Amino acid sequence: AQTVTQSQPEMSVQEAETVTLSCTYDTSENNYYLFWYKQPPSRQMILVIRQEAYKQQNATENRFSVNFQKAAKSFSLKISDSQLGDTAMYFCAFMKHSPHATIIFGKGTRLHILP
Amino acid sequence: DGGITQSPKYLFRKEGQNVTLSCEQNLNHDAMYWYRQDPGQGLRLIYYSQIVNDFQKGDIAEGYSVSREKKESFPLTVTSAQKNPTAFYLCASSIGQRETPKNIQYFGAGTRLSVL
Repeated sequence: AQTVTQSQPEMSVQEAETVTLSCTYDTSENNYYLFWYKQPPSRQMILVIRQEAYKQQNATENRFSVNFQKAAKSFSLKISDSQLGDTAMYFCAFMKHSPHATIIFGKGTRLHILP
Repeated sequence: DGGITQSPKYLFRKEGQNVTLSCEQNLNHDAMYWYRQDPGQGLRLIYYSQIVNDFQKGDIAEGYSVSREKKESFPLTVTSAQKNPTAFYLCASSIGQRETPKNIQYFGAGTRLSVL
């Protein structure tokens, strides 16, 4: 069975610093997608970034980037120049395709950006 | 505006009562999903539907039921058989089964269900 593990339940960093959130997953599939979702205090789930497993190049979206290590089954999220609005729960997620395309979420990392 | 609307925002259930959470989308998405979120548990899949008039159980379907009579709507009923219904419920939709980078799930704002 596929699993997603986020080993850091909670983190705090100063504004403008860089922070890395860890995620590992387990799967026997070769083609899949990985995601990072953000859930701010409003509880609205927002897609931050996605990565296709067949692409070796790491995805980037402005201040957000990933370090995708397929062999190690690792998918960490780096937030550069962190801002107060980055305070949120961050969920790592894996999309499996069998029997249908559904997503498995990790338990989340609560990130606090301190002024 | 295009999006996913969940209602109500807050819902209270009495013992032995069935309650229904509404989820409507105007994104023309084929697939819709229901998740339950508990503290420290992340999101867990309750039910999902890939097309109208068809749906599948997720990881924690017991005590819940769904219907998909219209493409836009995917209501979730929390039955009296669900003994611990207090949680935050999230509905999502996506374009469907096609294995493309566009098959992203978009979420509604959620419904908080509490037991009286």
